[in-house]
Amino acid sequence: DAKTTQPPSMDCAEGRAANLPCNHSTISGNEYVYWYRQIHSQGPQYIIHGLKNNETNEMASLIITEDRKSSTLILPHATLRDTAVYYCIVRVELRGSTLGRLYFGRGTQLTVWP
Amino acid sequence: SAVISQKPSRDICQRGTSLTIQCQVDSQVTMMFWYRQQPGQSLTLIATANQGSEATYESGFVIDKFPISRPNLTFSTLTVSNMSPEDSSIYLCSAEDRGPPLDTQYFGPGTRLTVL
Repeated sequence: DAKTTQPPSMDCAEGRAANLPCNHSTISGNEYVYWYRQIHSQGPQYIIHGLKNNETNEMASLIITEDRKSSTLILPHATLRDTAVYYCIVRVELRGSTLGRLYFGRGTQLTVWP
Repeated sequence: SAVISQKPSRDICQRGTSLTIQCQVDSQVTMMFWYRQQPGQSLTLIATANQGSEATYESGFVIDKFPISRPNLTFSTLTVSNMSPEDSSIYLCSAEDRGPPLDTQYFGPGTRLTVL
């Protein structure tokens, strides 16, 4: 079951930063925060994940609050190609051969406009 | 990352027939997963397919309806059996392993199924 809450939709002007919030107030100590996005008619695309430290890669930055009850995905310079549904997912990382399942909620539809 | 392909990309099928969807990964992986995405909905996990063992199905999904094979570490199939219009969905496979290049879960492009 999805354990996250996201706004259903957001808008962002091209070239500006897109900040997508996610609440995960019941997150456990061994659960990671993952972000995926799904561009229309394509499979979900992995963006970034983190446990408690802020993370950055070539696509985005992930800011996790100190109490880990919420996080923000930041696309620093949004483009029209970033229009997609963004999913915030919490997942247990398990040792050995068993990996935690991904449970997708409804996500946030981000629309980037020119 | 890794390249995950699916066949067919789309199909239109008659009620009562079955369709087998293939998923190919370009590297060996421990875990493969099958998801369903109904029109306008989010993704729902159907089952986890591990090589050398029976697939593990999520609540609401049964092996008779969605038999899965995992003959090796790069390939899996999902069959949608005795189809009805309610099975019209996008079916997606994904793969994950403990180390690079698949140290997180990556998805195929999906198979769009329409049942008449």
